[in-house]
Amino acid sequence: QQQVKQSPQSLIVQKGGISIINCAYENTAFDYFPWYQQFPGKGPALLIAIRPDVSEKKEGRFTISFNKSAKQFSLHIMDSQPGDSATYFCAASRRGGGNKLTFGTGTQLKVEL
Amino acid sequence: DVKVTQSSRYLVKRTGEKVFLECVQDMDHENMFWYRQDPGLGLRLIYFSYDVKMKEKGDIPEGYSVSREKKERFSLILESASTNQTSMYLCASRNAGTGEEQYFGPGTRLTVT
Repeated sequence: QQQVKQSPQSLIVQKGGISIINCAYENTAFDYFPWYQQFPGKGPALLIAIRPDVSEKKEGRFTISFNKSAKQFSLHIMDSQPGDSATYFCAASRRGGGNKLTFGTGTQLKVEL
Repeated sequence: DVKVTQSSRYLVKRTGEKVFLECVQDMDHENMFWYRQDPGLGLRLIYFSYDVKMKEKGDIPEGYSVSREKKERFSLILESASTNQTSMYLCASRNAGTGEEQYFGPGTRLTVT
């Protein structure tokens, strides 16, 4: 049972463009939605996270958009750069569940010059 | 900086062998996690530990066990390795009191032949 569905599986964007990765969740008890970034040979690292009391969170070129009614959230990377080429994972967790993260299947982003 | 280290980056074992994967964190975190990462499946939780000597099954515990005798160390044990356990194994830790972020190690790529 996949509780967090992520798309697309891979994405190629031109330098300077906008990268958009989407996730949908099923469990309405989820209350924390992070995005992790993973470079080749490294473990994932937290990029940005949001709670459902806000619809958007922005940190630099990275923005999470959150739609509680649709049970969807997305990562937008503005002015995408070659250094953003990595695998991105969305995730979700709930308080009282040990804050265990349920991850999406990942999106491999390549930003071309 | 939080540092999570894993004992091996690459490991090759034979079917039926008992395999130990070690993870050490240096930030006195209470929670520790073991995931496996497979292409197209994302990160799946094998086991996690709330604190010393405490453990709980994750989503895919079959064929694995864990040990946490000291706070900084969390071991994953494959009792009898099988070829379907060939994967990337990631360890993570989290401060239970101060936040949601999980800090990941670089991973161990295990090949079972």
